[in-house]
Order: sequence, then C-alpha cells, then structure tokens
Amino acid sequence: AQKVTQAQTEISVVEKEDVTLDCVYETRDTTYYLFWYKQPPSGELVFLIRRNSFDEQNEISGRYSWNFQKSTSSFNFTITASQVVDSAVYFCAPSGNTPLVFGKGTRLSVIA
Amino acid sequence: KAGVTQTPRYLIKTRGQQVTLSCSPISGHRSVSWYQQTPGQGLQFLFEYFSETQRNKGNFPGRFSGRQFSNSRSEMNVSTLELGDSALYLCASSLGQGHYEQYFGPGTRLTVT
Repeated sequence: AQKVTQAQTEISVVEKEDVTLDCVYETRDTTYYLFWYKQPPSGELVFLIRRNSFDEQNEISGRYSWNFQKSTSSFNFTITASQVVDSAVYFCAPSGNTPLVFGKGTRLSVIA
Repeated sequence: KAGVTQTPRYLIKTRGQQVTLSCSPISGHRSVSWYQQTPGQGLQFLFEYFSETQRNKGNFPGRFSGRQFSNSRSEMNVSTLELGDSALYLCASSLGQGHYEQYFGPGTRLTVT
C-alpha cells in the first residue's frame, strides 16, 4: 500500500517569498505517478502537476517547480514569488496500481 | 468544457437515515472516484468506477455503496447514517485509471445530526 508523509503541517510566508512543500512517499509499485493538488478555501481540489516514476528530470511551469528524487522517495513542490491567492492546503499523492493516496496536506498561508 | 458537478452541495440528515449523492463527470471521462474528507482522517478513498464497474474500493463499511451509469454519471449511497459520516464528499473524474490526473467537483457537505 502507498503512504505519504507531508511533514509540514502549516507554513506561513510573506508575499513574494519562495516556498517549498515537502513530500515523502512509500510505494511497492515499480511504476507509479506522483501528483500535487491544491485545495483553496472554496474546498474544490485543483490538479497542479503530475510526474511519472520513470522521469526524474525536474521541471518548471510558471511559478511552480518540482524536485523528484526517486532514491529518497521525495517529491517536493516549490512556488516561486508566492502570492496571496496561493493560500490553500496542498496535497501530495502517489498513484500506481492502486488509487490515489493523499497525504495529510500542508496548509500554506501567504501574507500580504 | 464543463467541470465535474455534484449535487446537492449541502445536505443535513438525521442519524439512521440514508442519503444519495450524485456526480456528473467531465464529458468523455469514464472513470469516477469518490473520496471522504474529514478534519480527523483527511482525504480517504471510497471507491472508483470505470465503465460501470467498481474497480477499487476503500476501507469503508458496507453502508457505503455506489454505482455508475452508462453515461458515466455516478451516485453514492450511505445507509443508516452515523454522526461520524459527517464530511465533505468529493467526486473526481478522469479519462481512465491509474496515472491520469483526476478532476474534482466542489463536493457535497453532509451533516448528520
């Protein structure tokens, strides 16, 4: 079974600061995908990024970037130049042969 | 393209009653998953349907059931409601199973009194 640890329960930053959200996962699947979702105060989960276990190349998409390291089972997510609208709960989730397993989430507060 | 819709958005029920929640996926999506979100347990997987067949089921009692129709719309039913069933129930749709990203609806907030 998969397991996710998001050690940071809450993070507070000042607008325009960069912030990194940590995620460590466990899986027995040899092939799997990793996801990050965001849940703003409205409650609806929003898909952010997906990564497959074959590709450890880190990428940047706008203000978002992620660092995937298979050797340490980590999939960290960075927001550059944070904005107040980034305030939300962020969830990391692996998916392989079994459904998505969500971590407890990290609550990010961006203060103006 | 319209997103995932869930009805009703809010519901108040009494302990012992039953409830049916509905989910309409994004057009073309054949997989629908249901999740329960509570402050204590977080986001927990309930079940997944693909082409009218239940493909996976989470660790929930038999009071929780679901189904999917030929148009991919899905319903979940909770019988004999308990206070602990109060939660946000989220539905998500995707093109298929496994590695496809899921798109979530706004959820149904169920309160059991």
